Amino acid sequence: DTGVSQDPRHKITKRGQNVTFRCDPISEHNRLYWYRQTLGQGPEFLTYFQNEAQLEKSRLLSDRFSAERPKGSFSTLEIQRTEQGDSAMYLCASSLVLAGINEQFFGPGTRLTVL
Amino acid sequence: AQSVTQLDSQVPVFEEAPVELRCNYSSSVSVYLFWYVQYPNQGLQLLLKYLSGSTLVKGINGFEAEFNKSQTSFHLRKPSVHISDTAEYFCAVYNQGGKLIFGQGTELSVKP
Repeated sequence: DTGVSQDPRHKITKRGQNVTFRCDPISEHNRLYWYRQTLGQGPEFLTYFQNEAQLEKSRLLSDRFSAERPKGSFSTLEIQRTEQGDSAMYLCASSLVLAGINEQFFGPGTRLTVL
Repeated sequence: AQSVTQLDSQVPVFEEAPVELRCNYSSSVSVYLFWYVQYPNQGLQLLLKYLSGSTLVKGINGFEAEFNKSQTSFHLRKPSVHISDTAEYFCAVYNQGGKLIFGQGTELSVKP
């Protein structure tokens, strides 16, 4: 097991383009989270999945953002019609929730730059 | 609503000196607290966590933190820092909905 992986690591795009990021969690982890981190700030929660069900979405997740986890394994985060304000590091984390509080393991992130 | 405040945005310190990174939280429910470290261009790595029990929590790389309920604090300490400890440190509180709420981060800069 190599931990949480994210692809791509870096993405540069022009304003108005669509982008998609992928996250592969630690195998058998049933929860998957997406966070966004802007320069000089801590990560902010975007959304999370329990298996394939999306259980919560932050109000930060505008209509231009959509996330999926179709088979309860990997997840994708798509941003449509990107804006310069979308430039940030997008972090994925996974955890195995059986009972109580469980550690979230983070991937290396995808750094998005919108020109 | 839960929130976390990290009181120092930057902490410069000389190698082998002690360091304390301050974190205060606000929560009306049971508190579960975490410290994460982020090295440049990398994801977050868990340093330590407080879930219950002893208020003094020991973590990796020689770090420890003390949960103080009366002062709503969870300060991170290390008695002697190394150059390799230079990184961004984040305090976080676990939200009952399952997500982490992070502070703004403290940049620790260890100088030779």
